[in-house]
Amino acid sequence: DARVTQTPRHKVTEMGQEVTMRCQPILGHNTVFWYRQTMMQGLELLAYFRNRAPLDDSGMPKDRFSAEMPDATLATLKIQPSEPRDSAVYFCASDLEANGPGELFFGEGSRLTVL
Amino acid sequence: EDQVTQSPEALRLQEGESSSLNCSYTVSGLRGLFWYRQDPGKGPEFLFTLYSAGEEKEKERLKATLTKKESFLHITAPKPEDSATYLCAVQPRTGSASKIIFGSGTRLSIRP
Repeated sequence: DARVTQTPRHKVTEMGQEVTMRCQPILGHNTVFWYRQTMMQGLELLAYFRNRAPLDDSGMPKDRFSAEMPDATLATLKIQPSEPRDSAVYFCASDLEANGPGELFFGEGSRLTVL
Repeated sequence: EDQVTQSPEALRLQEGESSSLNCSYTVSGLRGLFWYRQDPGKGPEFLFTLYSAGEEKEKERLKATLTKKESFLHITAPKPEDSATYLCAVQPRTGSASKIIFGSGTRLSIRP
């Protein structure tokens, strides 16, 4: 059963600490997305990659957030330093471009709480 | 600015009571409109893609329709297991090829 895997599922940290979230996309999917979900803003696109190359990270606060794909099986989202306003659920999703637009496969999310 | 607005924010129905969820959108050309279902503590799950006005898609008790300005998700004779948040999303024709913009969702609750 192919699925997107995210770690950690839950993270509680203190303001100022570094947080790294990881995502393993579905094998063979060539597009990877990072979304953030809060009650106030809903699902916001932070960044996405195609064939490991960053295509758009305009939704991401550049001073503290960074996203990378070191290889085709791993995407990372890093926050340094973290702030209470970063508390949210972070979702990774993957897609196979050849399948046509919009059919994203989401992981179960990483719930981040920054105290 | 590309925008997606969903209404109502929340909807409570009795089992078997049919209704519709609305998604209105403003985009600079529409590449596709998508519906997702999200259960508590889970990631969104893809339901439908609609490409052009007049198109309809069905899956079990759900039917999605599309006009030039909005989409409807019709739910017929719902069951408690249909309770979830339903998200609408659009992909604009211009700009980044894979950029998908989500609405804030409608929380649907079906009482037995």
